[in-house]
Amino acid sequence: DQQVKQNSPSLSVQEGRISILNCDYTNSMFDYFLWYKKYPAEGPTFLISISSIKDKNEDGRFTVFLNKSAKHLSLHIVPSQPGDSAVYFCAASDYGGSQGNLIFGKGTKLSVKP
Amino acid sequence: EAGVVQSPRYKIIEKKQPVAFWCNPISGHNTLYWYLQNLGQGPELLIRYENEEAVDDSQLPKDRFSAERLKGVDSTLKIQPAELGDSAVYLCASSGGTSGANEQFFGPGTRLTVL
Repeated sequence: DQQVKQNSPSLSVQEGRISILNCDYTNSMFDYFLWYKKYPAEGPTFLISISSIKDKNEDGRFTVFLNKSAKHLSLHIVPSQPGDSAVYFCAASDYGGSQGNLIFGKGTKLSVKP
Repeated sequence: EAGVVQSPRYKIIEKKQPVAFWCNPISGHNTLYWYLQNLGQGPELLIRYENEEAVDDSQLPKDRFSAERLKGVDSTLKIQPAELGDSAVYLCASSGGTSGANEQFFGPGTRLTVL
């Protein structure tokens, strides 16, 4: 049973517009959430994270929102650029329990059209 | 700062053959992870090391998979014998130092094809 779900396998947006990638989780013990970006033939690269004590974290064009009551988080990219085209993985950790093991979703492939 | 190094990048073998993957983590990172990534899936943890100790190997298929991190630095993951279903990308990651335990840094992976 998947504990971290990314229900949209793909997303296509126009350059300059907002990209919103969604992630849902089932385990209420998760207390830290991360987004990774992956280009073909490369390993995932850490993008941004958020602790469960916050509901928003911003880093440049990237913002992650956390809604604990809904067990939902989202990644907003504004404005989207063609170089953002990649697969984005949502990951969660129960750092207080399993000490840092990450559970990944299946990923969402983002395509940003020029 | 050098990233996580993995070799080989690609490996093609016939079923029932043995295969080994090597990983050198980021300097100063005490925690090392091996992940398996199947096509269309996210990475799935196989084993986690804290220094030279395997602290979580619950997802490692121990009948054919083994791993070691003898000096608490680089690590080797072995499959013997390989099966067709083992075809996947094997990712190594590390964490620790000033980056914090939750932010794992990944290597480029080894793509294994079992024929």
